[in-house]
Amino acid sequence: TQLLEQSPQFLSIQEGENLTVYCNSSSVFSSLQWYRQEPGEGPVLLVTVVTGGEVKKLKRLTFQFGDARKDSSLHITAAQPGDTGLYLCAGVFPNFGNEKLTFGTGTRLTIIP
Amino acid sequence: DTGVSQDPRHKITKRGQNVTFRCDPISEHNRLYWYRQTLGQGPEFLTYFQNEAQLEKSRLLSDRFSAERPKGSFSTLEIQRTEQGDSAMYLCASSSRQGGITEAFFGQGTRLTVV
Repeated sequence: TQLLEQSPQFLSIQEGENLTVYCNSSSVFSSLQWYRQEPGEGPVLLVTVVTGGEVKKLKRLTFQFGDARKDSSLHITAAQPGDTGLYLCAGVFPNFGNEKLTFGTGTRLTIIP
Repeated sequence: DTGVSQDPRHKITKRGQNVTFRCDPISEHNRLYWYRQTLGQGPEFLTYFQNEAQLEKSRLLSDRFSAERPKGSFSTLEIQRTEQGDSAMYLCASSSRQGGITEAFFGQGTRLTVV
């Protein structure tokens, strides 16, 4: 069974602080996506990383894919209340003909004004 | 085409009743996924279609669950003889593989409450 573990499970910080959340697996990903989900809504795709060591930026969010393509991190600079939500990583594992997306357990982020 | 559409958004049903949910994917996407999500958890994979073919079904899925995707377009997920444990958000996503990359886009989900 291919599992993705996310840490921390919960994070509550003050507005303006920086934070990093992590996504780890024992298996190699073909690609990995990060999503943000708000209560009562479906997950919204933030970014896809494919190449080991890849770094992508989306405004104050920085996503990094590990060199071995088994882990990823999301760093938020100067967090704002609008960043509050459930952050999910999801990976596609190499499996010929099968593009199943496997999700992590999520990090629930709360930014306190 | 504005994205993945799910219907209904909310469903309340009595235990033992059957329910059916519909998902309309992004039109050019050939892959369609169903997930189930309970409060505070990440989405749990249920099943996956490529065009009309159901390629994988979770072993966690009991025989009361069935999904179809006739003609490779919209999909339906049926739950027979609902139980209180079936209460969850049911999410549908679609994707296409471009440049060797799969990116999935989700609908807003159907929240099922079994009373």
